[in-house]
Amino acid sequence: QVQLVESGGGLVKPGGSLRLSCAASGVSLSDYYMSWIRQAPGKGLEWVANIRSGGDIVYYAESVKGRFTISRDNAKKSLSLQMNSLRVEDTAVYYCARAFLPGDWGGRSIRHWGQGTLVTVSS
Amino acid sequence: QSALTQPASVSGSPGQSITISCTGTNSDVGDYVSWYQQDPGKAPKLIIYDVSNRPSGVSNRFSGSKSGNTASLTISGLQAEDGADYYCSSYTRTSTLVFGGGTRVTVL
Repeated sequence: QVQLVESGGGLVKPGGSLRLSCAASGVSLSDYYMSWIRQAPGKGLEWVANIRSGGDIVYYAESVKGRFTISRDNAKKSLSLQMNSLRVEDTAVYYCARAFLPGDWGGRSIRHWGQGTLVTVSS
Repeated sequence: QSALTQPASVSGSPGQSITISCTGTNSDVGDYVSWYQQDPGKAPKLIIYDVSNRPSGVSNRFSGSKSGNTASLTISGLQAEDGADYYCSSYTRTSTLVFGGGTRVTVL
């Protein structure tokens, strides 16, 4: 059974930091792009960041570039998102996600999603 | 403002077919278009990838297509369980992913 389980969400003040983690079971990660995707309360989906299978190439949305860092550990089947300089507008449910297809263009579609972890940025 | 424009809502009666459009605004809708279905409080589910392909286990009542800079999702034989939010996404040349604003489907 495929499971992606996020942790690390919570309440943080503007300007603060938080680190999200995602643990995988029942699914291979090593050949696949991994992503973080967020959804603000009552709003649509917003892609946050991608990381290539080897962890050597990363991509970020303009809204988080310079503040967030995505990383992965294939041996531990885990994905992380370090979030610094958090803003009120970063408040959202953050989903860990694995690409549907392996390879360099695999990040184009997402098959496996975690249940999400809520990050609330508020003073 | 999303780079992909979807109608806010679409409705239909059981048994009917409905179509949701997804139009690129400041970006091209290429060949890497996906569609997701999201029930309230749940994670999204991939229903179409690469414009018109269905992952295994997805009903063949869902179909995708593209014409020019607009992709479309058609749901045939609408059922009550199809009521949900639907999102399109497009993968850009710079390996970033953009989502549409989402469409709420209501089964009357």
